[in-house]
Amino acid sequence: DAGVTQSPTHLIKTRGQQVTLRCSPKSGHDTVSWYQQALGQGPQFIFQYYEEEERQRGNFPDRFSGHQFPNYSSELNVNALLLGDSALYLCASSLGDTDLYGYTFGSGTRLTVV
Amino acid sequence: DQQVKQNSPSLSVQEGRISILNCDYTNSMFDYFLWYKKYPAEGPTFLISISSIKDKNEDGRFTVFLNKSAKHLSLHIVPSQPGDSAVYFCAASGSGGGADGLTFGKGTHLIIQP
Repeated sequence: DAGVTQSPTHLIKTRGQQVTLRCSPKSGHDTVSWYQQALGQGPQFIFQYYEEEERQRGNFPDRFSGHQFPNYSSELNVNALLLGDSALYLCASSLGDTDLYGYTFGSGTRLTVV
Repeated sequence: DQQVKQNSPSLSVQEGRISILNCDYTNSMFDYFLWYKKYPAEGPTFLISISSIKDKNEDGRFTVFLNKSAKHLSLHIVPSQPGDSAVYFCAASGSGGGADGLTFGKGTHLIIQP
């Protein structure tokens, strides 16, 4: 049973560029949430996608946007990259937007902005 | 403004002894509290949780205690085993469960000494 799959695993981008990260949820899950984990910090909630809509959003600027596809997979897009966007980006999937205990995280995408 | 605080960045415990990890929170609207364990190069994995209507939850070697009046929770691991060496994150959510997103602490690196 495949868990949450994220791609790519590592990425290096230049300041000002745009990046797209991808997430496939665990089989049977329909909700995807994205988190940013900076070095030495805990994960920070970016937003949640359920029924192809952004349902909740954390304290992140509009440069961070996302999409959920009919097969429940999701993309995270970051425009106009800043050095401070360098972090581990984690995707978590769950069944339903309120599910908490079934939250399953992927291994993350390590983004480095130079 | 950190709403979930883990004040010990690291903790070293001898194998077979009890490990106690602490977490404090400031937001009285939090209803659910979870502990996650994270190994290097892997995503966080769910360990144990407690809702605000309880003061204790036990699962095998892991017990979580919640003191609502002090806005404090702790995770007890007994006996500690070498495989318990990992970073432990305390996380909290409001009544919306997963729809509110999780608010994480910075984590405590637990090292079990043989």
